[in-house]
Amino acid sequence: GESVGLHLPTLSVQEGDNSIINCAYSNSASDYFIWYKQESGKGPQFIIDIRSNMDKRQGQRVTVLLNKTVKHLSLQIAATQPGDSAVYFCAENGAGGGNKLTFGTGTQLKVEL
Amino acid sequence: DTGVSQDPRHKITKRGQNVTFRCDPISEHNRLYWYRQTLGQGPEFLTYFQNEAQLEKSRLLSDRFSAERPKGSFSTLEIQRTEQGDSAMYLCASSPRRSDEKLFFGSGTQLSVL
Repeated sequence: GESVGLHLPTLSVQEGDNSIINCAYSNSASDYFIWYKQESGKGPQFIIDIRSNMDKRQGQRVTVLLNKTVKHLSLQIAATQPGDSAVYFCAENGAGGGNKLTFGTGTQLKVEL
Repeated sequence: DTGVSQDPRHKITKRGQNVTFRCDPISEHNRLYWYRQTLGQGPEFLTYFQNEAQLEKSRLLSDRFSAERPKGSFSTLEIQRTEQGDSAMYLCASSPRRSDEKLFFGSGTQLSVL
């Protein structure tokens, strides 16, 4: 069945370093992918999205890369800050559309001072 | 704050009781979604509405779960005869019709069934 998985459950980085969070997806029909950030006790917060007709998209301090050949998605955070500490989820829309996003299990990002 | 609002933030109930949660979406959004999130997992889709029409409910976890959006604005999610396995965070999200598929989430209702 379709699934979205993350390679690492926890990632620790030093403040100021770049962070890379990876995600594998299995549904070839997915054409929309999103990264969310979730802080403790809060709902997921949108970070950046990308459609399958693109392989890279940049935002403020964040970049998402999509490799459809190997069904891999990554989130790069430049100059990681303490406020970036959170759980990061990738999600895909699958084949059904209607915004029924399928989420991965998440990666905990810890920023060390 | 004009984001998605959920009430209550926390709910503690005894097994067998019924609970109801409310979600107020962003006012101009006509799509509303319910997700469930257990500890250490990503959100799991339950159901969604476009205006007052419930377009999918097959992912609702059992017939004890039901959702309504009678006037196409706020929505309620009801769980009847709660079980300990229902303990989770229940998240609501909304999105506008003519946009990308980005969802805006509320802060959720944390349910604890004793």
